Amino acid sequence: DQQVKQNSPSLSVQEGRISILNCDYTNSMFDYFLWYKKYPAEGPTFLISISSIKDKNEDGRFTVFLNKSAKHLSLHIVPSQPGDSAVYFCAAMYSGGGADGLTFGKGTHLIIQP
Amino acid sequence: EAGVAQSPRYKIIEKRQSVAFWCNPISGHATLYWYQQILGQGPKLLIQFQNNGVVDDSQLPKDRFSAERLKGVDSTLKIQPAKLEDSAVYLCASSSRLGGEANEQFFGPGTRLTVL
Repeated sequence: DQQVKQNSPSLSVQEGRISILNCDYTNSMFDYFLWYKKYPAEGPTFLISISSIKDKNEDGRFTVFLNKSAKHLSLHIVPSQPGDSAVYFCAAMYSGGGADGLTFGKGTHLIIQP
Repeated sequence: EAGVAQSPRYKIIEKRQSVAFWCNPISGHATLYWYQQILGQGPKLLIQFQNNGVVDDSQLPKDRFSAERLKGVDSTLKIQPAKLEDSAVYLCASSSRLGGEANEQFFGPGTRLTVL
């Protein structure tokens, strides 16, 4: 039973345009959501996070939006650059139980076309 | 600041053999995680340590997987005996604190295991 879902295995976007990556979750206990970026043969690297009490968090070219009622979040990258080509993982966690391991989606492979 | 170190980077074994992976977290990070990433999937948490104590091992297949962090610094993950379905990348991550607001987990490059 997948608790975090990324339904688009891949996404192709032109350089300079906006990239929008989507993520849905089912567990209402999750209270933090994170996006990680992964290049081949490297470990995932943290990109941006959002608390469930917020609906938007922005960091430079990256903005994450959270719609708690729909259990949906999205990552916007504006403008998209060639170096953004990577696999993006959506992850979620529950902070209240002591353990804070992440539950990941399957990832979306973002390809930025020149 | 040195990142999370893992070794070996690649390992090929036959089924029913044993294998061990090593992880050295970022200096000063008390929390250490092991994740398994099967091809085409996202990482899945296997075990979480706080210092040398286990915080969560609910998804660790304990009949064949074991992990330890004896001195609260580096950690080893062992599989004995390995099955074909254990073929995956094993990722180690560390963070500086436990619980509370979301804290960044820093990942190592992973060990790619192939079981033949």
